[in-house]
This record gives sequence, structure tokens and C-alpha cells, in this order.
Amino acid sequence: KNEVEQSPQNLTAQEGEFITINCSYSVGISALHWLQQHPGGGIVSLFMLSSGKKKHGRLIATINIQEKHSSLHITASHPRDSAVYICAVNVRVQGAQKLVFGQGTRLTINP
Amino acid sequence: DTGVSQDPRHKITKRGQNVTFRCDPISEHNRLYWYRQTLGQGPEFLTYFQNEAQLEKSRLLSDRFSAERPKGSFSTLEIQRTEQGDSAMYLCASSPQGRNGEKLFFGSGTQLSVL
Repeated sequence: KNEVEQSPQNLTAQEGEFITINCSYSVGISALHWLQQHPGGGIVSLFMLSSGKKKHGRLIATINIQEKHSSLHITASHPRDSAVYICAVNVRVQGAQKLVFGQGTRLTINP
Repeated sequence: DTGVSQDPRHKITKRGQNVTFRCDPISEHNRLYWYRQTLGQGPEFLTYFQNEAQLEKSRLLSDRFSAERPKGSFSTLEIQRTEQGDSAMYLCASSPQGRNGEKLFFGSGTQLSVL
């Protein structure tokens, strides 16, 4: 079992739909990241959070430390939101920080 | 451009050749990470530097892989005697030092193809 599990692996929706991507982890973490990766490899950091909820535009990220679960929501989805969304957790190893990644969720928004 | 830059963007090589990739992090960032990503998978941790010190190295890294960050600025990742299984996207990221984690800034990656 991977330390970080995302669901679903693939998600196709119509423009305007509310999107939820889930991330569960099995290790102790100091922070959780949501990343966006477009074709061609470029990765952009969307959120880093260690508790509660953060909002940026149409994106909302929440984390429940006790349940070891985080969700990324997209409101009023748009075709330009189509990308792979990756959850990654900060794991402290011998004083250093190491990121462990989920496998990603491929999101396709159709017009 | 003050982001993380990686060079080259693409590298095609024959099996058995050595390759070297370079990463220039954001100048004030003292943490630098190398990751490897294969098609359809999330990135996998390879190694991590804080300034010039290599603090951790993944078991994924065989002795054919070596990384350096000689002056705590740019970093190089060298793969010796490349194998077809080394074909992947090699990603570099940097971050400032933080107590519980920091926002990461990624380069565009180097796509390696070993023929």
C-alpha cells in the first residue's frame, strides 16, 4: 500500500461541475501539498497546508489531520483546469524534510 | 526569469553512456530536491540537499547515480552507464527553509530517453 493514496485516478466532468479529489496518507506528516501538473511536465504548487482550509480563487483545499485525509475542490470547473493533480506529504526523516507523492488524479473538463 | 531552471529539457542517449543534468534553483532557496517521474506515475524522491550538504538519498538511487551541489547553489545529477530503465522525467525543485515544510518551486524537468 502506498503511503499516499489519491482518488479517483481519473476524473472526467463537464464544464461548470464541482470537482473533488481526495488524498489519504498513512504516515505522520508536517504538511501536505497539492500540486498541478500540465502536459509537458511543469508542476505548480497550488497549496501547502498543515491544518484547516485554504482557498485561492476557485480552488479550495482542506485537511483533517486526525483522519489523515485531504480534499481538493474546484468550483465552476473550466476546461483549462484539465491537468494532473498531485497530493504530496512532507515526511520528516532524520531532521530533513522529504516529500512523498501520490500517483496523481488526471482531471479532464469537457466544454 | 527567477524560477527554477533545468538543463537540458530533453536528452536522448544510447545505453551505456553517461549523462549529466543541471538544476539552478531560486537563488535564496537553500533546499534542493531531485525527483524522478515515469509516465502515469507521481514523482519519486531521489535526493535532497540543504545548502551543499546531501542529507538524504533514496534507495532508488543506485551507485550509478550521483548528485552534487558544490557551492550550495546549482546542482548536478549524473547517471553513469545509463540503462533503458533510467528513461524518465527528472525534476528539480527548490524551497526556502521552513520548520514544518515549505512551498516548493519546480523546474520544467529534463526528459531522458535511453535507447
